[in-house]
Amino acid sequence: ETGVTQSPTHLIKTRGQQVTLRCSSQSGHNTVSWYQQALGQGPQFIFQYYREEENGRGNFPPRFSGLQFPNYSSELNVNALELDDSALYLCASRGQGDEKLFFGSGTQLSVL
Amino acid sequence: QKEVEQDPGPLSVPEGAIVSLNCTYSNSAFQYFMWYRQYSRKGPELLMYTYSSGNKEDGRFTAQVDKSSKYISLFIRDSQPSDSATYLCAMKTSYDKVIFGPGTSLSVIP
Repeated sequence: ETGVTQSPTHLIKTRGQQVTLRCSSQSGHNTVSWYQQALGQGPQFIFQYYREEENGRGNFPPRFSGLQFPNYSSELNVNALELDDSALYLCASRGQGDEKLFFGSGTQLSVL
Repeated sequence: QKEVEQDPGPLSVPEGAIVSLNCTYSNSAFQYFMWYRQYSRKGPELLMYTYSSGNKEDGRFTAQVDKSSKYISLFIRDSQPSDSATYLCAMKTSYDKVIFGPGTSLSVIP
């Protein structure tokens, strides 16, 4: 167990809808990253938050947005869902000055 | 050319075999190298973490980094059926995102 928890575990949405995924970081970790993992591929970096500010973003459109809260929990929001958004969404946290990422179990999103 | 390349497998070995998993990369600025194990539909679990070149051993696992060749390896000794999973290499520079390889699927047959 890494101490990183994600909810929900599974979600089914239809194209065009909006979705919010949630993550609770490991205690003491102030940096959270979100990754998208399509079937058979490695995780792809979406963005990273440090002290409630986004401080890094991958090659994802603006309809992917996030928030980090003072207790270091975070959200990933995806608007105008597309079929290709179907994937496992992973949250990962790390402590300050630590390069090791610890992942949650992910949210499996299916867009129909 | 992708930043991180990894043979996707699948790789199938008998129980007790030595397994060798490898990744190559193109960015010479990578300094931190990691191996993650991922069971089906679960989050990746950190197995090994190495800074710069050299070897690191932890139980049945050995990680090697050769920065001059831009090549990293993970060796698993005395492989067990419970080692059956997808193995992801990952790497990063300082203050930057972690880049993952596509993963190698491993099956250890009893």
